Amino acid sequence: DVQLTQSPSSLSASVGDRVTLTCRASQSVSFYLNWYQQKPGRAPRLLIYSASNLYSGVPSRFSGSGSGADFTLTINGLRPEDFATYFCQQSYSGPFTFGPGTKVEIK
Amino acid sequence: QVRLQESGPGLVESSQTLSLTCSISGVSINSGGYYWNWIRQHPGKGLEWIGYTYYGGNTYYTPSLKSRVTISEDSSKNLFSLRLTSVTAADTAVYYCARSAGDFGNSIDYWGQGALVTVSS
Repeated sequence: DVQLTQSPSSLSASVGDRVTLTCRASQSVSFYLNWYQQKPGRAPRLLIYSASNLYSGVPSRFSGSGSGADFTLTINGLRPEDFATYFCQQSYSGPFTFGPGTKVEIK
Repeated sequence: QVRLQESGPGLVESSQTLSLTCSISGVSINSGGYYWNWIRQHPGKGLEWIGYTYYGGNTYYTPSLKSRVTISEDSSKNLFSLRLTSVTAADTAVYYCARSAGDFGNSIDYWGQGALVTVSS
């Protein structure tokens, strides 16, 4: 199975900050890496697919980069509604594992 | 507008079988290019991908659950189902049904709202 690690596990940031979250795979997943946002009591929401493609309706302050085994999600200009947990997921090879998540909290 | 909705018992006794159904609206389960997934989330924890069905009944399961899981589809009712046998407290979780799309790198673009299933001893 492909293992995904995310760092940091949590971070505190202020509105307007730029934050960068990382996801590392135990082996290459090419560009088949996706990012989701989840708020308490809600289903996850797709933000970025295939490493760097912004999903429909997602604000442009979200961006993704990377390939192979190292990926980043950047939020430029954090807004109050962005405080949530972010998960990465690989869709390169089954089982299609998720990372443990990064919780973004208000400073 | 694609919608997915889980339904099924919220409480299952230990050693019994967990059964959930996902009703799909806005798209046919027979549409090509989609995979129909089950994913779970233990309370306060991360996401665990369980498996999916695709292309008229083909399935793929995560190895750790493969011996206990069956995912099936009913195209006449436009739904798919999850069966998990011999459940224990470790199977207590929110269960999500979800669609993944080949056009989006097999990412999950639509999710159900989730169904909490508690396993009682």
